[in-house]
Amino acid sequence: QSALTQPPSASGSPGQSVTISCTGTSSDVGGHDYVSWYQHHPGTAPKLIIYEVIKRPSGVPDRFSGSKSGNTASLTVSGLQAEDEADYYCGSYGGRQNFVFGTGTKVTVL
Amino acid sequence: EAQLSESGGGLVQPGGSLRLSCGASGFTFSFYVMNWVRQAPGKGLEWVSGISGTGGSTYYADSVQGRFTISRDNSKNTVFLQMNSLRAEDTAVYYCAKDDGNWNPVTLGHWGQGSLVTVSS
Repeated sequence: QSALTQPPSASGSPGQSVTISCTGTSSDVGGHDYVSWYQHHPGTAPKLIIYEVIKRPSGVPDRFSGSKSGNTASLTVSGLQAEDEADYYCGSYGGRQNFVFGTGTKVTVL
Repeated sequence: EAQLSESGGGLVQPGGSLRLSCGASGFTFSFYVMNWVRQAPGKGLEWVSGISGTGGSTYYADSVQGRFTISRDNSKNTVFLQMNSLRAEDTAVYYCAKDDGNWNPVTLGHWGQGSLVTVSS
């Protein structure tokens, strides 16, 4: 049950785009389409922003998009806004009736 | 809209026990897997445990297997986490999360605000 690998930080100026990677194995990220992304502002409840690799829950802006290639999933935030500054975690069904999160990426809006 | 509310957190000595509860509303509780997730101070999110909609299947992270027990009461729309043999490294904010699936933990769609558990002498 090793955590998925994410870069510790990413940054961009308002209006720019940032992409965060999430690398796992063929048992989790690469083995199915149950990959999700969560936005977490410290002190609040985490929020689901992408599920099943590419789908957005109702109310999530289309500035957020997901993709996957092999064992690596990615989250892209386009048109960065100040309120996008947060911690982002990928998550995946682990393949053995478990769930695994990524190590987390702190996004800074410059 | 799903609403989740955790309770039962607090300060406990190493080796002690604590039981967390999570009350749910706004959805058909028995249809969905329920999960517990924790975040230790300065650390990332860690999935702790999950339970199927019927309660017939339970799932645990290796770090808590044998010490924690998840259960649910579908008549009261409540999920529990019994934590025994607590260690300092179990200190964390514990979140209850509703899954979008009904058998395995696949997508944590809605979250509670969290309950702080501190293990210290």
